[in-house]
Amino acid sequence: DTAVSQTPKYLVTQMGNDKSIKCEQNLGHDTMYWYKQDSKKFLKIMFSYNNKELIINETVPNRFSPKSPDKAHLNLHINSLELGDSAVYFCASSPGVGGSYNEQFFGPGTRLTVL
Amino acid sequence: TQLLEQSPQFLSIQEGENLTVYCNSSSVFSSLQWYRQEPGEGPVLLVTVVTGGEVKKLKRLTFQFGDARKDSSLHITAAQPGDTGLYLCAGASGGSYIPTFGRGTSLIVHP
Repeated sequence: DTAVSQTPKYLVTQMGNDKSIKCEQNLGHDTMYWYKQDSKKFLKIMFSYNNKELIINETVPNRFSPKSPDKAHLNLHINSLELGDSAVYFCASSPGVGGSYNEQFFGPGTRLTVL
Repeated sequence: TQLLEQSPQFLSIQEGENLTVYCNSSSVFSSLQWYRQEPGEGPVLLVTVVTGGEVKKLKRLTFQFGDARKDSSLHITAAQPGDTGLYLCAGASGGSYIPTFGRGTSLIVHP
């Protein structure tokens, strides 16, 4: 199936730990994103890569580090996890940037719970 | 300040009713997308509107882009329980390509 996939689906961890979330898309898209959705369902962009190059880096603590080994993969590493990092993290891809190229295709989400 | 304001925030209706959801901004958008998100899943793209005044239909859903490309609406005719979900509008304003999402309208359709 053509899709955006991300693993794991659920992540429960202790404060202070380091964790990674992986994302892969087989849609042939050039651009990938990480979003954070809070408990009130607000979806906020964190990062975006276009052809492996970082193009969007919103106000995110530097404990969050994205890595794109190729344009089909965008991983998110989080250091020193804090309680406030608990949220659902979505990976997405789009054909490109700007206008209708911004149409987002989302993965199923990773629910991160920090205890 | 939220770039895209959606209203209403919550909507609970009976099956068969009609409804309209609004997405408003003071900024001009080159295009706007509408998504539906069901619990435990990622948002799914419904439609993209590009031209001011454009109307697009997707079965019982009608999407309209404002003439000035600052607002959009989603009208659902004869809502069904399967329409239940969080409806999100999104776009990039001006010359930016950074996608911004509204806070969403949570719709519940009761059988």
